[in-house]
Amino acid sequence: DGGITQSPKYLFRKEGQNVTLSCEQNLNHDAMYWYRQDPGQGLRLIYYSQIVNDFQKGDIAEGYSVSREKKESFPLTVTSAQKNPTAFYLCASTNRTGEYEQYFGPGTRLTVT
Amino acid sequence: GQQVMQIPQYQHVQEGEDFTTYCNSSTTLSNIQWYKQRPGGHPVFLIQLVKSGEVKKQKRLTFQFGEAKKNSSLHITATQTTDVGTYFCAGQRLLWGGSNYKLTFGKGTLLTVNP
Repeated sequence: DGGITQSPKYLFRKEGQNVTLSCEQNLNHDAMYWYRQDPGQGLRLIYYSQIVNDFQKGDIAEGYSVSREKKESFPLTVTSAQKNPTAFYLCASTNRTGEYEQYFGPGTRLTVT
Repeated sequence: GQQVMQIPQYQHVQEGEDFTTYCNSSTTLSNIQWYKQRPGGHPVFLIQLVKSGEVKKQKRLTFQFGEAKKNSSLHITATQTTDVGTYFCAGQRLLWGGSNYKLTFGKGTLLTVNP
């Protein structure tokens, strides 16, 4: 059963701590994406990767970092430099960068206090 | 940069009434996609429109892509409680000089249905 998994579903952290969100896909997709969703703000692109060992900044990359060491995995680190980290984080993938539908994971809701 | 505006932000209807959400891009699009996100869930792809003036139907849902490929709409006929959720449009355009596409999401329309 193919899909995208994100873990954990809920995550709580203290301010000043870095936290890494997991995203794994077994769809054999080349491209992967991280979005942030805030109430009434839609989905905003943080980072994306078209191929292993390569990634690009999206519209709101400040305070975040990523890696793409394996095709299946695209973890996102929310650093202490991110001023407003509390949000719903969604990972997505497509079988090619471009005009193809995006498959989303279930999301991780991060709360930083 | 490219902007995708979506209206209305919220829509509350009685079950059986129709519903429409509109999407407008500041730039010409290669294609437009529509997604639905149920409360507490994640976005799920509904459809992609590519051609100028294209109209596609999925049961009670009708999707349109404008002639200028800058606007789109989603119309639901005779809403049901199962239609509740946020509907997002996402405009895609080819980046200059490359083969990469940029997908920009609208802020979505939250539909609630009173049974």
